[in-house]
Amino acid sequence: EVQLVESGGGSVQPGGSLRLSCAASGFSFRDYWMHWFRQAPGKGLVWVSRIKFDGTYAEYADSVKGRFTISRDNAKNTLFLQMNSLRVEDTAVYYCAKDTYSSGEYWGQGTLVTVSS
Amino acid sequence: QSALTQPPSASGSPGQSVTISCTGTSSDVGRFNYVSWYQQFPGKAPKLIIHEVNKRPSGVPDRFSGSKSGNTASLTVSGLQAEDDGGDYYCSSYTATNQVIFGGGTRLTVL
Repeated sequence: EVQLVESGGGSVQPGGSLRLSCAASGFSFRDYWMHWFRQAPGKGLVWVSRIKFDGTYAEYADSVKGRFTISRDNAKNTLFLQMNSLRVEDTAVYYCAKDTYSSGEYWGQGTLVTVSS
Repeated sequence: QSALTQPPSASGSPGQSVTISCTGTSSDVGRFNYVSWYQQFPGKAPKLIIHEVNKRPSGVPDRFSGSKSGNTASLTVSGLQAEDDGGDYYCSSYTATNQVIFGGGTRLTVL
């Protein structure tokens, strides 16, 4: 059974940083691209970033480019999202997902990031 | 990058069919067959129900079907059931700028 468990969310002031983690199990993590998505309270889904299976290539939404960095540790079956220069508008539940053809095939339950002064 | 356009709401009676549209541009929906649809209920994580325009993941009922014509993709839910009520349905597409964009979501009501 595919399982994705996010962690690392919390409250941070504007301009601060957070690092999210996503522990994966139930599939061959090193063989799949992985995504981060987010959803602000009461709002729709937004794609954040995705990373190639070997970690050598990544894509980002314009809204986070230059501030967020996606990475992975295939030895530990873990996906990361380093978030710097956080803004109030980054407040959201962040989900990691296993990729299939540019879609999120399996999703975690999410971790809440709140950016507020 | 502009979002895809979906109607905010859709409805139908049990047993009927409803179709939700998702309009993009020639740089996303019209260019790639990487259109996906997700179902999400309040407080829950999204669930993939269609990928690559019209492919259903294992376990998704064949009541859900997808299609595309030009810059517009569509999700059809046939044989509406009570369990479909209250879900939000989102479309997404890969884009020419190597990003993924979503529609604003459509709330489905089973009357």
